[in-house]
Amino acid sequence: EVQLVESGGGLVKPGGSLRLSCGASGFTFNNYRMNWVRQAPGKGLEWVSSISSSSTSIRYADSVKGRFTISRDNAKNSLYLQMNSLRADDTAVYYCARDRSYDILTGLDYWGQGTLVTVSS
Amino acid sequence: SYELTQPPSVSVSPGQTARITCSGDALPKQYAYWYQQKPGQAPVVVIYKDSERPSGIPERFSGSTSGTTVTLTISEVQAEDEADYFCQSVDTSASYYVFGNGTKVTVL
Repeated sequence: EVQLVESGGGLVKPGGSLRLSCGASGFTFNNYRMNWVRQAPGKGLEWVSSISSSSTSIRYADSVKGRFTISRDNAKNSLYLQMNSLRADDTAVYYCARDRSYDILTGLDYWGQGTLVTVSS
Repeated sequence: SYELTQPPSVSVSPGQTARITCSGDALPKQYAYWYQQKPGQAPVVVIYKDSERPSGIPERFSGSTSGTTVTLTISEVQAEDEADYFCQSVDTSASYYVFGNGTKVTVL
């Protein structure tokens, strides 16, 4: 059974940093592109960042470019999101999600349960 | 930037058919995916590659495409189908993902 489990969310002050993790199991992690998608309270889904199976292709939404860094450790079956210079509008549930492809961007077939990030003073 | 457009809400009586549209200029070239999200839960894919249904998704969920519009159809709607539905695709060069704003399906 495919499982994605996020951790690392919490309350952080504006300008602060946070590192999210996503542990994967039930599939061959290094065969899939992985993503972070967020959802602000009461709002829709917003794609944040994507990383290919071998980390050679990395993409960011304009809203987080220069502030967030995605990475992965295939030996540990883990995905990460380093978030710096956090702002109030980064407040959201952050989901880890698997793409159906190892390389190109297509669609997301499995999602974790999410971790809540709250940016507030 | 590229956008996908969905109606904010759709209301339907039990046993009837709900249709949710999603429009975008790149949809003739890129596949669409549909996700169902119930309150407090993560999204679940109900349709992939425009019209394919994952295992475990009821047959009453179907997808179709025509030009720049894709449609999610829920036949014989049940109370448990009440949820938010989001379409998703990628831009023409497959550089980034884009989601529609979501459609709230209310079962009357």
